[in-house]
Amino acid sequence: AQTVTQSQPEMSVQEAETVTLSCTYDTSESDYYLFWYKQPPSRQMILVIRQEAYKQQNATENRFSVNFQKAAKSFSLKISDSQLGDAAMYFCAYRSLNRDDKIIFGKGTRLHILP
Amino acid sequence: NAGVTQTPKFQVLKTGQSMTLQCAQDMNHNSMYWYRQDPGMGLRLIYYSASEGTTDKGEVPNGYNVSRLNKREFSLRLESAAPSQTSVYFCASRLDGNSPLHFGNGTRLTVT
Repeated sequence: AQTVTQSQPEMSVQEAETVTLSCTYDTSESDYYLFWYKQPPSRQMILVIRQEAYKQQNATENRFSVNFQKAAKSFSLKISDSQLGDAAMYFCAYRSLNRDDKIIFGKGTRLHILP
Repeated sequence: NAGVTQTPKFQVLKTGQSMTLQCAQDMNHNSMYWYRQDPGMGLRLIYYSASEGTTDKGEVPNGYNVSRLNKREFSLRLESAAPSQTSVYFCASRLDGNSPLHFGNGTRLTVT
């Protein structure tokens, strides 16, 4: 069975600095999707970025980018120029392409932005 | 522009009571999901439905049942609530391919 591991329960970063959140996953499959979701205090879940495993190029969305290392099964999220509005829980998620439509999440990383 | 609608927003149950959490989406999405969120545990998949008429167990299905009533609606039932089922429950849906999940606003359930 697939698993997603986020080893950093909490992290802090100074405003305007760069922070990297870690995510590793375990799978025997070769095709899959990976996602990062953000959950601010409002509890609403928001998609931050997605990556298809067959694409070697790392995905980017404005200040958010990923470092996807397929062989290492690693999918880290880099947030540049951190802003106070980035404070939230961040969840890494995995979806298999080959099987059913199951999507599983890691336990999350709470990110604090220090003014 | 409703998206994914969950009802109720809050619920308090006594141990042994039953209830159904309702979820409906108006985006013509194929897949629907139920997750529970507990502190330090992230989001755990309870059940999901890849298409109308199909349902599958997730990571933590025990104590729950689901019904995919039609393409729009996916309900979660607790037959005999237990304190361990105190949690925030999220319903989500997605279209297909690499489309992301769209989440409802959650239901906070307390079982005493």
